[in-house]
Amino acid sequence: GAVVSQHPSWVICKSGTSVKIECRSLDFQATTMFWYRQFPKQSLMLMATSNEGSKATYEQGVEKDKFLINHASLTLSTLTVTSAHPEDSSFYICSAIRGDTEAFFGQGTRLTVV
Amino acid sequence: GNSVTQMEGPVTLSEEAFLTINCTYTATGYPSLFWYVQYPGEGLQLLLKATKADDKGSNKGFEATYRKETTSFHLEKGSVQVSDSAVYFCALSVSPDSWGKLQFGAGTQVVVTP
Repeated sequence: GAVVSQHPSWVICKSGTSVKIECRSLDFQATTMFWYRQFPKQSLMLMATSNEGSKATYEQGVEKDKFLINHASLTLSTLTVTSAHPEDSSFYICSAIRGDTEAFFGQGTRLTVV
Repeated sequence: GNSVTQMEGPVTLSEEAFLTINCTYTATGYPSLFWYVQYPGEGLQLLLKATKADDKGSNKGFEATYRKETTSFHLEKGSVQVSDSAVYFCALSVSPDSWGKLQFGAGTQVVVTP
């Protein structure tokens, strides 16, 4: 199957700093990527849809100024958590669409804000 | 709104036992339904899908039938192996353009012992 890679796999940062998470489609081009957030023992919650060359579409309740998304190429989308706080600690997962059908997921990034 | 409810885990089974994971959904319109699996340390992978009522998705010995009358998409496998130990996510998509925008259940951890 297609490969989507996230980097880093885990990160610890200090409160007030910003963290960038990368999502790459390694063997296909993805015009659309998605960012999810998962709390412990809860389901994945869609945060935003990332479209190559245009602004991301955020789900209701997601702060776009807090979670900056950039999809500058057909193989890379980035999520930047700005001015991170402990409540932003979570597991962040991206997916990329190949064609118009199946979504391929990254392995996730564990963010801990201390 | 749309939602997916699946049974809580962990589910612990002996090898060769029968596995059922219940999944029910609430959705407007006619969703497509999915089961994703996440093996330890890996990203979510599509296990099977069904796009309309009465469709049966199947893969690797797993099956699930789209039941519109009971709004269910239960996952079954007749004889599990240790390698089936993973977290299983039921999901739906109501997006007519892409299966990437997904609503997930909370996930069910399955542990298969030798």
